[in-house]
Amino acid sequence: GQQVMQIPQYQHVQEGEDFTTYCNSSTTLSNIQWYKQRPGGHPVFLIQLVKSGEVKKQKRLTFQFGEAKKNSSLHITATQTTDVGTYFCAVLDNYGQNFVFGPGTRLSVLP
Amino acid sequence: EADIYQTPRYLVIGTGKKITLECSQTMGHDKMYWYQQDPGMELHLIHYSYGVNSTEKGDLSSESTVSRIRTEHFPLTLESARPSHTSQYLCATRPSGLTDTQYFGPGTRLTVL
Repeated sequence: GQQVMQIPQYQHVQEGEDFTTYCNSSTTLSNIQWYKQRPGGHPVFLIQLVKSGEVKKQKRLTFQFGEAKKNSSLHITATQTTDVGTYFCAVLDNYGQNFVFGPGTRLSVLP
Repeated sequence: EADIYQTPRYLVIGTGKKITLECSQTMGHDKMYWYQQDPGMELHLIHYSYGVNSTEKGDLSSESTVSRIRTEHFPLTLESARPSHTSQYLCATRPSGLTDTQYFGPGTRLTVL
């Protein structure tokens, strides 16, 4: 079935440093979604990318969809302690019915 | 935020007990999902439903069962709880469109002693 990889698995940064997580697929994707899960919380939708090469920004967060639509990245500029959590990418399965979630990147921010 | 409710939020129970985790939604979404997740780890899909009387097993083998008698409710039942079932269980819903967002409930943290 559809599989998606995320790197890195863990990332520890000092507050104020930048952070990037990558999501990679072996197949061309129709779209990709990003979710954030705070410690003790549940995943919350952040954004969806649909077009090749698409770039979207949400304040300090920048999301990019690769030209070949096989990978995506989430970049956080000048991290804050509120950015702590696990970031998941999600892509549609081979049947186009359910979303398959990546293993997540766990971000910790040291004050 | 979507209106998805899960009860109980926390449950500590002894081995061998039968338990039902409740999930309800008020958005009329056809698709509903159950995930098992250890803290901060991967989301494992254990059951899903595309509508009333539709239930399917997910990617992760589970000893639990589900039912979908009404659109709003998607309860998950463990006939005989074991310590290996200790985990967080997340319910989620999604409208039927391919680009629609998935909404998660607050989760139930289950501990089996």
